Order: sequence, then C-alpha cells, then structure tokens
Amino acid sequence: GAGVSQSPSNKVTEKGKDVELRCDPISGHTALYWYRQSLGQGLEFLIYFQGNSAPDKSGLPSDRFSAERTGGSVSTLTIQRTQQEDSAVYLCASSPQGARFGTEAFFGQGTRLTVV
Amino acid sequence: KQEVTQIPAALSVPEGENLVLNCSFTDSAIYNLQWFRQDPGKGLTSLLLIQSSQREQTSGRLNASLDKSSGRSTLYIAASQPGDSATYLCAISEGGGGNKLTFGTGTQLKVEL
Repeated sequence: GAGVSQSPSNKVTEKGKDVELRCDPISGHTALYWYRQSLGQGLEFLIYFQGNSAPDKSGLPSDRFSAERTGGSVSTLTIQRTQQEDSAVYLCASSPQGARFGTEAFFGQGTRLTVV
Repeated sequence: KQEVTQIPAALSVPEGENLVLNCSFTDSAIYNLQWFRQDPGKGLTSLLLIQSSQREQTSGRLNASLDKSSGRSTLYIAASQPGDSATYLCAISEGGGGNKLTFGTGTQLKVEL
C-alpha cells in the first residue's frame, strides 16, 4: 500500500480482556517497529522485526505483551489481560532496513487503545 | 543509556517568524537522527533524516543540522506558517541500541496568525 496502515484506529476494551492490534507495513519494507505513546509521554519502543531474524523484544513492558510478524509483512501486537495503564496510542512504523542503516522510518496513524 | 531532550517543550510564534527547535542527546555514538512532526491525533510524518556523517539536510523551508561532538541537532523552520503548528520530535538511531529509534519528548509548536 501507499503507507503504513493500522487497524483498528480506535479500540475501547474492558479491563482484563485481550486485544489485538494490526499493522500493515509498506510493501517491501523489511523492518517493522511497534511503539507506544502514553498521554503526555514520549514514544516508548516496544519491539522490532527485521526480515526473518529474531525480533528485538527488549521494549515489551511485561509478558502480557507479544507480537508476531507473519510472512515478513503484516504484524499483530497482542495485549493479554489488559490493564488501565495499557491505555495509549500504539504506533507502528516500517522502513526499508533497520534504523542503523540510515533509512527513514514511516509511521502509521496509530491505534488509540482505551482500557475501561 | 541514551537520553534525548528537546527544549523548549512548547513554543508559540507569530506567522512569518524564523525559528529553531533544539534536540540534545547524551551519547554521540549515533548512526543517524531523524526529525518528525506529529499532528494532534495522528501518526508521525518524517521530515528530515541526517546520517551521522552529515552536517545538515534541507527540505523546502526546513533545515536540520547535526553536531555529534556536542550532542546537538537543530531544526530550523523559515517563514513559519500556521500549518506548521504541530509537535516536532527528534529520534536517534544509536550504536548501542540496536535498530530502535530513541525519541525526544517533543516541542509543541504553535504558529499564530
């Protein structure tokens, strides 16, 4: 597609429920990132995928968070047993290669998650 | 641990003014630095990318500079317009941080008529 696409754009869920957030990167981009932006906070790195390599999961805040990337394209971020502190905008980005290779990262519009 | 700071946190200027946004980082071992803008309720739009070997990049009314030795980058916006109102974020790809981008907390810019 023309840009990074994320769905849903908004999600309201009850505390304790599981949610899945989807990211469709730009076609041909091998690198994919998930970030979280809480109200009034900066962007927090969650996870990074590069091709078929093992993902960098160092930013996942707890074991309730997981992500996968199927076929080197679409990625799903799953949050289990959601808590109110999980409320945030979840942003996905893709780039032709990883950040260290000096290629631009392109972001989707984000999914606004509200846990009530 | 790399820390990225943006000052000021908020800035309000009259239309037509030239302005400079600042980004400071603590570890100079970076691969590159990228400037983004974020409009309310939206994702991030890439503005400029500066490689570690470069000193500046220009795109239209925007000019970004990089001084690795002092840990600073500036984003210069010429002849500001109300449409430039947004939050501006700098992000660093650093040597010890794998491939992730470390973001500053942003400068919220308002250009008034």
